[in-house]
Amino acid sequence: QQQVKQSPQSLIVQKGGISIINCAYENTAFDYFPWYQQFPGKGPALLIAIRPDVSEKKEGRFTISFNKSAKQFSLHIMDSQPGDSATYFCAVTTSGTYKYIFGTGTRLKVLA
Amino acid sequence: DAGVIQSPRHEVTEMGQEVTLRCKPISGHNSLFWYRQTMMRGLELLIYFNNNVPIDDSGMPEDRFSAKMPNASFSTLKIQPSEPRDSAVYFCASSLGAQNTEAFFGQGTRLTVV
Repeated sequence: QQQVKQSPQSLIVQKGGISIINCAYENTAFDYFPWYQQFPGKGPALLIAIRPDVSEKKEGRFTISFNKSAKQFSLHIMDSQPGDSATYFCAVTTSGTYKYIFGTGTRLKVLA
Repeated sequence: DAGVIQSPRHEVTEMGQEVTLRCKPISGHNSLFWYRQTMMRGLELLIYFNNNVPIDDSGMPEDRFSAKMPNASFSTLKIQPSEPRDSAVYFCASSLGAQNTEAFFGQGTRLTVV
């Protein structure tokens, strides 16, 4: 059973463009939604996270948009740079627990 | 702080051999996680320790896998005997607390069982 579905699997964007990665979940009990960034040969690192009491969170060029009724959330990377080329994972969890369920990942390549 | 330190970075072993992966969490962190990453299954939680005590090992694939945390600064994940399907990248992560606090990942150990 896939509790979180991530798309697309891969994405190619021109430098300066907007990268958009989407995730959808099933369980309405989930209430913490982080995005992780992973560079080749490195472990995942927390990029940005959101809770369902807000519909959007922005940190620099990175924005999470959250649609509670649709059970979807997305990562937007504005002014994408070649240095953003990495694999991005969404995750879901429930407050008070330690178990994160990760999406299958999106490999982003930003062309110079 | 040097972050979460894992060793070895790469391990190639023959089927049937014992493999031991090592992790040093960030000093002061009291939660430690072992994850496995594969193309087919993505990132899976294998086991979670809190204050050196195993709390949840439901993700451990089978009895061939075992994990220990003898003290706050060291953990091991052992596979005995290893099989080709165990080939994956194994990550250790630590956090200040278990519940929705940021988990810091190590660089991983790439295990290849031939």
